[in-house]
Amino acid sequence: SQWGEENLQALSIQEGEDVTMNCSYKTYTTVVHWYRQDSGRGPALIILIRSNEREKRSGRLRATLDTSSQSSSLSITAAQCEDTAVYFCATEASSGSWQLIFGSGTQLTVMP
Amino acid sequence: EAAVTQSPRSKVAVTGGKVTLSCHQTNNHDYMYWYRQDTGHGLRLIHYSYVADSTEKGDIPDGYKASRPSQENFSLILELASLSQTAVYFCASTGEGYAEQFFGPGTRLTVL
Repeated sequence: SQWGEENLQALSIQEGEDVTMNCSYKTYTTVVHWYRQDSGRGPALIILIRSNEREKRSGRLRATLDTSSQSSSLSITAAQCEDTAVYFCATEASSGSWQLIFGSGTQLTVMP
Repeated sequence: EAAVTQSPRSKVAVTGGKVTLSCHQTNNHDYMYWYRQDTGHGLRLIHYSYVADSTEKGDIPDGYKASRPSQENFSLILELASLSQTAVYFCASTGEGYAEQFFGPGTRLTVL
């Protein structure tokens, strides 16, 4: 398997809190994608970080990538109820590949 | 913005019956993919295609066939549906100049 964890993780936080989700991968990749999936919909890319970037920000989102430990994280600052979704990380199947391998995801629930 | 549509959005099939799931994209993307998602798990690649009239096996192709009759259309065929194929199926596309995959809304398939 590409990933360290196989089952969907679940996180529940209060509105306004910060949250970090982690992914570890087992094979080399030059890019990590983070997708968000709302209930009943397909995943959509929210942030992408490449191997030459240690950190990438987009609004309240922050992604990190540590190629030496083969891990990536996604942080959300001041989470809001509308951030409730499943978050997936994905990596290339092989260098330069057009295929992605998805992790099992984190179900984030933000409560009012 | 990329537009990927799937039909039907939901389907109930009988064991042993034939099921065809359809995907259509309007963005001139060369690459198309079929994934399945089981409850509590991530996305797993079934089949993919890089060009019309050609398909490739993904990680879990057994029990599935694929057809890419044109650049815009990609079908997933279950010749003999089984209970274990109950899942949500997602189609995605991407192309040169894009790092991300664009997903359709999914088809919920229930095999009874």
